[in-house]
Amino acid sequence: KAGVTQTPRYLIKTRGQQVTLSCSPISGHRSVSWYQQTPGQGLQFLFEYFSETQRNKGNFPGRFSGRQFSNSRSEMNVSTLELGDSALYLCASRKGQVAYEQYFGPGTRLTVT
Amino acid sequence: GQQLNQSPQSMFIQEGEDVSMNCTSSSIFNTWLWYKQDPGEGPVLLIALYKAGELTSNGRLTAQFGITRKDSFLNISASIPSDVGIYFCAGQNTGNQFYFGTGTSLTVIP
Repeated sequence: KAGVTQTPRYLIKTRGQQVTLSCSPISGHRSVSWYQQTPGQGLQFLFEYFSETQRNKGNFPGRFSGRQFSNSRSEMNVSTLELGDSALYLCASRKGQVAYEQYFGPGTRLTVT
Repeated sequence: GQQLNQSPQSMFIQEGEDVSMNCTSSSIFNTWLWYKQDPGEGPVLLIALYKAGELTSNGRLTAQFGITRKDSFLNISASIPSDVGIYFCAGQNTGNQFYFGTGTSLTVIP
């Protein structure tokens, strides 16, 4: 069974631009969560989508948004990029919203210059 | 966001030695998960624990769900060079949200 895939793997953007990251969950998994990982803050939860609806949201500004499609694929968008947005963005999927086991993708490394 | 207290922060051990790390929280969790992350990659799930007191093994790895539901530990026996990486704990609360530990960086010296 294929794992969680994320595209692109690496991205360089300029401050003020916007970016869209994509995540395809494991087949049959309907819940997708997004995390930001930085050396200083560790793994921070951004939001979770289940059945195309945002179910949980972390403590991030409105510049961070996401959506989920009917095939469970998800996208995350960051508008008006700031230098501090440079991070590894990880997507994780699980079967359902109450499923225990969460599986991560390889991440997208975003660098903002 | 909330982070779990994970210790130690880093470990340098000789190949063949056993390793122990733990996570504690002020909140109760329903599930504890342990992950390993290699540089530039996403975390890989190692062990999942579902109920208080549970002891689960996966090869040389053993993890336990604390009876207070506020802590968990991971042991690695007879470490080998490929055990090198960062180990994270994660707890899932009653709101089905996951919180992560700060990570334990493991270095195995051949």
